[in-house]
Order: sequence, then C-alpha cells, then structure tokens
Amino acid sequence: DTVLTQSPALAVSPGERVTISCRASESVSTGMHWYQQKPGQQPKLLIYGASNLESGVPARFSGSGSGTDFTLTIDPVEADDTATYFCQQSWNDPPTFGGGTKLELK
Amino acid sequence: EVQLVETGGGLVQPGRSLKLSCVASGFTFNNYWMSWTRQAPGKGLEWVASITNSGGSTYYPDSVKGRFTISRDNAQNTLYLQMNSLRSEDTATYYCTREGRGFDYWGQGVMVTVSS
Repeated sequence: DTVLTQSPALAVSPGERVTISCRASESVSTGMHWYQQKPGQQPKLLIYGASNLESGVPARFSGSGSGTDFTLTIDPVEADDTATYFCQQSWNDPPTFGGGTKLELK
Repeated sequence: EVQLVETGGGLVQPGRSLKLSCVASGFTFNNYWMSWTRQAPGKGLEWVASITNSGGSTYYPDSVKGRFTISRDNAQNTLYLQMNSLRSEDTATYYCTREGRGFDYWGQGVMVTVSS
C-alpha cells in the first residue's frame, strides 16, 4: 500500500503563511487530495488532483506537487482554520490517507 | 445540495453483525462510485469499501475483506455496508462518501462500537 507521511502538528499565528507537507512512499502522479476536519465534524474536501481548489473553498488554500511530494498552503491563516488536515491518494490501489496534521493557532 | 445521511450504527458484541445504510440526495446517485471510510476514536481515516456506480464491482482493503459487504440500491438512492464477524478494532465512526473529485462529499458519520 502507498504510505503517506505527514508531520503530526504545526502551530502558527493568524495572518501567517503555513505549508503542510505530505510525502508518498511511491509516485501517485497528481492523484492527491486534501481534506480539513474540525473537531466533531466530518472531513471536507479542500483540494483535489493535487492543485485544484474545490468549489466554495477560500482562495487562501492552495495545493501543489506531483509524484511523491505534495504541499497544502494556507495564506493567510485565519483562526477558523484550526483543524486537522489529511492528504489522501487515489492513484494507487488501495486509496490511502496520511495520518493528519493538526494545525493550531497561537 | 448534496446530502448523505447514515443510519444503523450502535453497540454490538464481538463476532456479531451490523448493517449500515446511507441515503443520498441532491445528485444523480447512479452516476457515481460510492464508498465507506472509517475513523477510529482519535485516529486517522481508513478507506473501507468502494462500489462502482452500477454496483457491478466492489473493492475492499485486506482488513475487512471477507467480513464486510458493500452494496447499493440505485432505485432507492441508498448505499449499504453489511458488517459481519465484527472485531473490537472495527470500532469507529463510519462515513458514507461519494467518489468524484477524490472523496468529495461525506455524510455526518455513524458510530459503531464493538464491545462485550
């Protein structure tokens, strides 16, 4: 299975730029997606196909990368962005998720 | 508006069975593959099962293969997950998910607790 590795946690101040990384154990081309999950809620799609912004998601969110290295960027970060962010690949079977990065605001 | 509403969760003893349902609305159900994804308490996300739009093919990870069965009724816009031989490690919130642009819509989730 394709293993996706994310840093466990990040802490940033409102107004700053934050990058959340996801590294795949093998190439996933651009079959990478990013989700935001707030406590007690279901995950929400932010970015699909590595760099495409889902409808209704603020343009502060962006994604980049291909192959094995991917990044979700939030610029500028707002207080409401406190959440856990998951990457997920759909290029290789089975689909797999990263362990999540918990974003905290200082 | 796309809506996915899961039902059927609860407390079940190890080795017993449970069937989850998910009613979909707001989109043409039979145009999309559908899936179940789960999240153990305080843990990450794990894909559990997928089914093609026609229902003709199904897919599972090794962790549930042979115990779980995904199915769908396109006339009723409903997705199912039959879970047999449940284990404590199956304890999780189960989400019904639409496969479009990634997993582009998620239900609110239903809790399944496997315990004696």
